[in-house]
Order: sequence, then C-alpha cells, then structure tokens
Amino acid sequence: KAGVTQTPRYLIKTRGQQVTLSCSPISGHRSVSWYQQTPGQGLQFLFEYFSETQRNKGNFPGRFSGRQFSNSRSEMNVSTLELGDSALYLCASSYGTASNQPQHFGDGTRLSIL
Amino acid sequence: ILNVEQSPQSLHVQEGDSTNFTCSFPSSNFYALHWYRWETAKSPEALFVMTLNGDEKKKGRISATLNTKEGYSYLYIKGSQPEDSATYLCAFYSGAGSYQLTFGKGTKLSVIP
Repeated sequence: KAGVTQTPRYLIKTRGQQVTLSCSPISGHRSVSWYQQTPGQGLQFLFEYFSETQRNKGNFPGRFSGRQFSNSRSEMNVSTLELGDSALYLCASSYGTASNQPQHFGDGTRLSIL
Repeated sequence: ILNVEQSPQSLHVQEGDSTNFTCSFPSSNFYALHWYRWETAKSPEALFVMTLNGDEKKKGRISATLNTKEGYSYLYIKGSQPEDSATYLCAFYSGAGSYQLTFGKGTKLSVIP
C-alpha cells in the first residue's frame, strides 16, 4: 500500500511569489491535514480537509489556503510569500478525522524563500 | 490557544537504560492524545492514539499511560536501543470543537551505544 506522497520535496521561491504544494493520501483515506514545522516550533496546524470540506483552519493568515479534491488529494497554496514562510510543510492522512485516528505523514515539502 | 507541554526537551541515555518522558495537556474537554516518533530524515510515525482515562498502550518496548483527569501522559521506553533515538511528539485533540491536533514541541531522545 503506497504511503502519503507529497510533491515537490524541495522548493525555492522568492518573496512575493506564490506556491502550490500537493499531497496524495493513502488510498481510502478521506482526511488530509497540513502542518508547518519551523525551527524551534512544534508542528503547527494549518488545516484539515475531510471529504472535500475544510473542518478547521489554524491560526495562519489568509495567504494560506487549501482544497481537497473528490479523490481525496489535497493542495495547499501560499500567496505573496514572505521570508517567514520558509519551513517544512507536512501533510498527514487518516481514514476518519484526525481526532482519534493515527495520522500517516508524508515526507514533507521543504520550502525556502529567498 | 491550547497548551501542550513536553518534558524534558531532550535527554541522553545509555543503551540498555529505561527512560520515560511526559506530555501535559489541558485536563478539560479531553478527546484524544496521540504519540508519534520522528526519526531524523524520516516522517513522523504514529505510536499510539489514546482516548480513555487510565488507558495503557504497548508496542514492543514502548508503552504509554494516560491520565485525563490531571492532564498528563507518560511514554516509557524499556531497554533503550540506538534505533530508539528520535524526537517523540505528543498531540492533544480537544473535545470542545477546535477540530485540530495540537502538538507539543517534542522530547529529543539520544541513545548512546
């Protein structure tokens, strides 16, 4: 069974640009959550999608958005990139919601802003 | 903003030693507590999801306990091995409708051969 796949693995952008990250969950999983990891911080929750609906969004500005498609694949978009957006972005999937289901993580996308 | 604290921040143990660390979380509106292991250059791996007060879970040499009344969970590793070196993360899910996993900053374990 294939794991969670995130693309691209690495990305370099400049301030002001926008970026789209992709996450393909494990087959059959309906929930996809996104997290941001920066040095010194724990995993910060961005949003969770379940059956194409956003269940919640973390404390991030409106420049961060996402969506989920009917095949459960999810994309995350960040517009008007800032230096502080440099981070590792992880997505995780589960069959049910993230509440009481173990999360299966991808390898992440490392985004660097110059 | 929910506060999930893990202690210690890091520790070094000798191979063969047993060790434990703590995750503290709000004692109200508990729904679930997750534990993950994150090895360098890999992705986080689920260890346990615990939902009931007094729950004890075990996976090989690793076990966890849960006290929802006082808001803490312990993770134990018996007979630590070098391959146990990793950052151990806990994550709290509130039943108050926040609909998000709140992670602690982790405990970084280094097992010295």
